[in-house]
Amino acid sequence: GQSLEQPSEVTAVEGAIVQMNCTYQTSGFYGLSWYQQHDGGAPTFLSYNALDGLEETGRFSSFLSRSDSYGYLLLQELQMKDSASYFCAVNRDDKIIFGKGTRLHILP
Amino acid sequence: DTEVTQTPKHLVMGMTNKKSLKCEQHMGHRAMYWYKQKAKKPPELMFVYSYEKLSINESVPSRFSPECPNSSLLNLHLHALQPEDSALYLCASSPNPSGGSGNTIYFGEGSWLTVV
Repeated sequence: GQSLEQPSEVTAVEGAIVQMNCTYQTSGFYGLSWYQQHDGGAPTFLSYNALDGLEETGRFSSFLSRSDSYGYLLLQELQMKDSASYFCAVNRDDKIIFGKGTRLHILP
Repeated sequence: DTEVTQTPKHLVMGMTNKKSLKCEQHMGHRAMYWYKQKAKKPPELMFVYSYEKLSINESVPSRFSPECPNSSLLNLHLHALQPEDSALYLCASSPNPSGGSGNTIYFGEGSWLTVV
């Protein structure tokens, strides 16, 4: 089987940096993706790691360590609009399977 | 055009009704998906179509019946649903069926289904 674990909620302050973790128990997957979903909206793609290391896209960075079965999403210069749920997901075979998601709360 | 379009946005149906959800993409993507999402839960994979053929059925009850008329369209036919089937149904597409090379999936806005 495969499972991805994420903390259910994280709270951070506007302008700060936040890291959201994802640990997984699966093998043979192609890469780790991150998606953002606002309330009432659809998930949107943020970042993808095929290889170990850091990928940076503007204020968002994602990290993967296959040896540690671990990844994280880093958000910098937090804005109120970043309040949303964030899902890690593995690309395996023809499937993209999502973790349970982290709800990010941002305080002014 | 990076859109996946779903209709209807909202649907209320009785347990004896037959209805369909529709999905369309014009990005030339070769894989299309149906996901089900309940409140405060992650999207849950239901079906995968690869090159217009059903490649994965995640043990979905037969009251849900997918159909892929062509490479741009994906339908989900609904019949004899239960109230617990009420959820957001998300259609998605990706450039290719395999998981390699950063296979990003693009979601539609979803169809909110209520079964009464």
